[in-house]
Amino acid sequence: NAGVTQTPKFRILKIGQSMTLQCTQDMNHNYMYWYRQDPGMGLKLIYYSVGAGITDKGEVPNGYNVSRSTTEDFPLRLELAAPSQTSVYFCASTPPLAGGHNEQFFGPGTRLTVL
Amino acid sequence: AQKITQTQPGMFVQEKEAVTLDCTYDTSDQSYGLFWYKQPSSGEMIFLIYQGSYDEQNATEGRYSLNFQKARKSANLVISASQLGDSAMYFCAMREAGGGNKLTFGTGTQLKVEL
Repeated sequence: NAGVTQTPKFRILKIGQSMTLQCTQDMNHNYMYWYRQDPGMGLKLIYYSVGAGITDKGEVPNGYNVSRSTTEDFPLRLELAAPSQTSVYFCASTPPLAGGHNEQFFGPGTRLTVL
Repeated sequence: AQKITQTQPGMFVQEKEAVTLDCTYDTSDQSYGLFWYKQPSSGEMIFLIYQGSYDEQNATEGRYSLNFQKARKSANLVISASQLGDSAMYFCAMREAGGGNKLTFGTGTQLKVEL
């Protein structure tokens, strides 16, 4: 299993440009997440999904959109990039909670710079 | 109010010594989970250990143990016999009851292991 994969690894955007960060998992996990990590800070939840066709906002959703058409894929869309969106973006997945610890499995991250 | 507080931005420890990384949390839920993740300089997020709120025993995973004091709402990570490879950022996170298995992260502690 490849686990959680993210593309691209790095990207530089100009203010106002748009882009989609790709995330795919091959573990058949229902739950998927997008986080951002600003320098020297912890991770903050942007959006999450509990299954195909279902998405919900996290703590910092403004400026982002998501979709979940399949179990495997959970892309994150930035429509009008702003310097405040310069960050490292992590995608994660987990199976539904079933009484165990169900840790989240993280992708390697996408480092985005908006200039 | 912060839900997860890590008050030590940076810590130093000598190789082979033990070190405790502090984490306090705030929740009104009776059912919750506490996680520790390691983030080396390469950037990936590595799951270390989990403690459930109803677990009576402190969690242990190899050289990692979690000192869980429920009444004090603390979940400190103890690393025994530190190694140079333990140098990394460490994040405490909490999963509260409710849908989505969402995690709230602390701001992290940067650990440096010295010879």
